[in-house]
Amino acid sequence: GQQVMQIPQYQHVQEGEDFTTYCNSSTTLSNIQWYKQRPGGHPVFLIQLVKSGEVKKQKRLTFQFGEAKKNSSLHITATQTTDVGTYFCAGPGGSNYKLTFGKGTLLTVNP
Amino acid sequence: EAQVTQNPRYLITVTGKKLTVTCSQNMNHEYMSWYRQDPGLGLRQIYYSMNVEVTDKGDVPEGYKVSRKEKRNFPLILESPSPNQTSLYFCASSFGAGGTYEQYFGPGTRLTVT
Repeated sequence: GQQVMQIPQYQHVQEGEDFTTYCNSSTTLSNIQWYKQRPGGHPVFLIQLVKSGEVKKQKRLTFQFGEAKKNSSLHITATQTTDVGTYFCAGPGGSNYKLTFGKGTLLTVNP
Repeated sequence: EAQVTQNPRYLITVTGKKLTVTCSQNMNHEYMSWYRQDPGLGLRQIYYSMNVEVTDKGDVPEGYKVSRKEKRNFPLILESPSPNQTSLYFCASSFGAGGTYEQYFGPGTRLTVT
């Protein structure tokens, strides 16, 4: 079945450092979504990328969708303690009715 | 306020005792789904529903049942819970097909089966 791999599994940074998490799919994706889950919370939608090579920014967060639509990345510039949480990518899992999540990257930030 | 609600939020039960986790959304969403979250395994889809009376299996459906009799409700049923179903469960809903629309998640239900 369709798989979505995400690396790294964990990342610990000092406040102010940059952070990147990468997502790779075994198949071409029609779109990719990113979610953030704060400790003890539920996943919250961040963004959806649809076009090949697409780049979107949300303040300090930059999202990219690969040219082949099989990989994506999330980059955070100058991390803050409020960025702490697990970041998940997700894509259609074989059909548009199923959503397959990567295992997530847990980001911790040392103030 | 637009939201997805789940009940109960916490549940401790024993092996074999049937239980139901309720999920309700007030956004008139067509699509609803259930996920379980386990350490190191991320979020895995259990079942999803495209509309009333239309449901289908996700990636880990064994041991679970669902029903969609009303648009707003999508209960998850464990007819004979086992310890390997101890997990954090999330209900989610979206305007359209789950693979193409943003998901709105409920607060989660932490289930322990002893």
